[in-house]
Formats: sequence, structure tokens, C-alpha cells
Amino acid sequence: QVQLQQWGAGLLKPSETLSLTCAVYGGSFSGYYWNWIRQPPGKGLEWIGEINHRGGTNYNPSLKSRVTISVDTSKNQFSLELSSVTAADTAVYYCATASDCSTSTCYVSPWGQGTRVTVSS
Amino acid sequence: EIVLTQSPGTLSLSPGERATLSCRASQSVRSSYLAWYQQKPGQAPRLLIYGASSRATGIPDRFSGSGSGTDFTLTISRLEPEDFAVYYCQQYGTSPPVYTFGQGTKLEI
Repeated sequence: QVQLQQWGAGLLKPSETLSLTCAVYGGSFSGYYWNWIRQPPGKGLEWIGEINHRGGTNYNPSLKSRVTISVDTSKNQFSLELSSVTAADTAVYYCATASDCSTSTCYVSPWGQGTRVTVSS
Repeated sequence: EIVLTQSPGTLSLSPGERATLSCRASQSVRSSYLAWYQQKPGQAPRLLIYGASSRATGIPDRFSGSGSGTDFTLTISRLEPEDFAVYYCQQYGTSPPVYTFGQGTKLEI
């Protein structure tokens, strides 16, 4: 059973780059998509983007210019970078596993524990 | 981009009652791309339903999903105290490939 463990800096200043990493334990790294999703305080869920084990990516068009998701298959890890952060990027950031929608039903599970990121000067 | 609208925003019920949560899409959604999640305070969302009507592993059978096209429903047949949480629907769009979530329904006692 896949489990995800994530980490990264929790306090950033405006214009800095957010960097988070998620490690995948207990399952195959191929055959899935590896996602980042965020949730601003008191608000709903916003999908950021995803990557597969070959490095193929899809990004939310609203964030695409600032987002980079990368994968390190040797470590079973994937990472998120979000550049030029502002207070609007303050949120809990989740890593998560998603099924391959081209071959099966489409869902996101399981999720990491979440990392609270605050952007403040 | 497909927009998902959930209703009601807040649903106030008592344990033992039946809950019916709605998710309406701005365009037709493939049923295999529609899922429901439960989120409790301070926790990550948990998958309940995928493919519009299939229960995820370990989800009690009081949870059921139905619907097609633009209208989907999550039903909780007999509310247990642990069911009071926020529920989100989610769809996957292919052009461009993007996940979108509804704004959530808060189920409160």
C-alpha cells in the first residue's frame, strides 16, 4: 500500500521559491501520476499539477508559468517548485497519488499529510 | 474548463438521518472521471467514491454515489457521528488535462 511523506520549508518571504518534496513508500512508482494539490486557509482544494515516472507533466493553467514538478525515480521522490510566491500562495500543500486516467477510473488517493506554507514578509 | 458546483454549501442534520449532497458540472463529465472525498479538520482528504458510484477500499456501505452527465449525488444513508465533515466532488478534464474540485459541502450536526 502506497504511503506518502512530504517535507519542505514552511515559511517564505514574498518573491521566494517554494520547494517541497514527497517520498513514495510501499508501492510501484510507475503506472501512476504524482500530484500536488493545495488548500488555502478555510478554502477548498486547488490542483497544482502532476508528473508520471517518465517525467511527463500536466499543470494547472492558472499556475503553469510559476510551477515546476520533477521526479527522481532512483529515490522514489517527486518535488514541487513554485516561484515568485505571494501571500496568495499561503496554503496547506498536499502531495498525492493519482490513477492513470487514460487507462482506468480517475481518482486521487492516497494523500500525503500536508505541509503548511506561509508567505509573509 | 469544467466548473463543479456543490449544493448545499452547508447541510445541518442529525445522526441517523439521510444526507444527500449534490455536485453539478458546467459541462458533461465522464462518470469514470468523477470522485468524492471527505475531509475532516486538520486532515488530508480521503477518497470515498470513484467512477461516480464505486466505493473506495474500506468505505462503509452507507456511502453511495450516483449520477451521470452533469448531475452527481453523494448519499449517506444513516449518518454516524464521524461522518460530519466537508465533502468535495472532483472531476478530471482532458482538454487540457486538469483536475477540478467543487467548493465543498460542509455537513454539520
